Amino acid sequence: GAVVSQHPSRVICKSGTSVKIECRSLDFQATTMFWYRQFPKQSLMLMATSNEGSKATYEQGVEKDKFLINHASLTLSTLTVTSAHPEDSSFYICSARADEAFFGQGTRLTVV
Amino acid sequence: GEDVEQSLFLSVREGDSSVINCTYTDSSSTYLYWYKQEPGAGLQLLTYIFSNMDMKQDQRLTVLLNKKDKHLSLRIADTQTGDSAIYFCAETVYGNKLVFGAGTILRVKS
Repeated sequence: GAVVSQHPSRVICKSGTSVKIECRSLDFQATTMFWYRQFPKQSLMLMATSNEGSKATYEQGVEKDKFLINHASLTLSTLTVTSAHPEDSSFYICSARADEAFFGQGTRLTVV
Repeated sequence: GEDVEQSLFLSVREGDSSVINCTYTDSSSTYLYWYKQEPGAGLQLLTYIFSNMDMKQDQRLTVLLNKKDKHLSLRIADTQTGDSAIYFCAETVYGNKLVFGAGTILRVKS
């Protein structure tokens, strides 16, 4: 089946720095990718829809200047958490659709 | 609006059947999904059902859909310890966007 690869799987960064997370569709082209955030013991919250070649669509309450999304090619979307703070610590998961939605392995971000 | 609700916890004995329930609100949903998440990992698609179907069976998994009541269930036959995980139901809205339930923690006791 289709595979979505997310990198890194874990990252620890200092408060105030920026972190980039990559999401790649390995064997299919994805014009649309999705970024989710998951808090401990909670469900996935859709943050934004990443559209190849155009601006991302952010869900209500998600700061677009803080969570920068770039979808420069049909196989790669990136999420950059800018000026990270401890409250940004979370599990971030990307998704891309072929006939169905496939998810990356997730990135555990810890901001210290 | 979009809302998906699930029971939060289910405990079963190994070998028994597990039934995880889900209700949704968006009557325009086309596909409904079940995902499995193991600790610290992404989501694994288990199965999905098209909204014009009542039932879908895939090996140990049986999905039942009651579209009138907007109720979806996942039955796992002969539940094994390896089935212990969090199970999310999700519906598609606006064609592409997925809305997830809060997840049901399944604990299988040996």
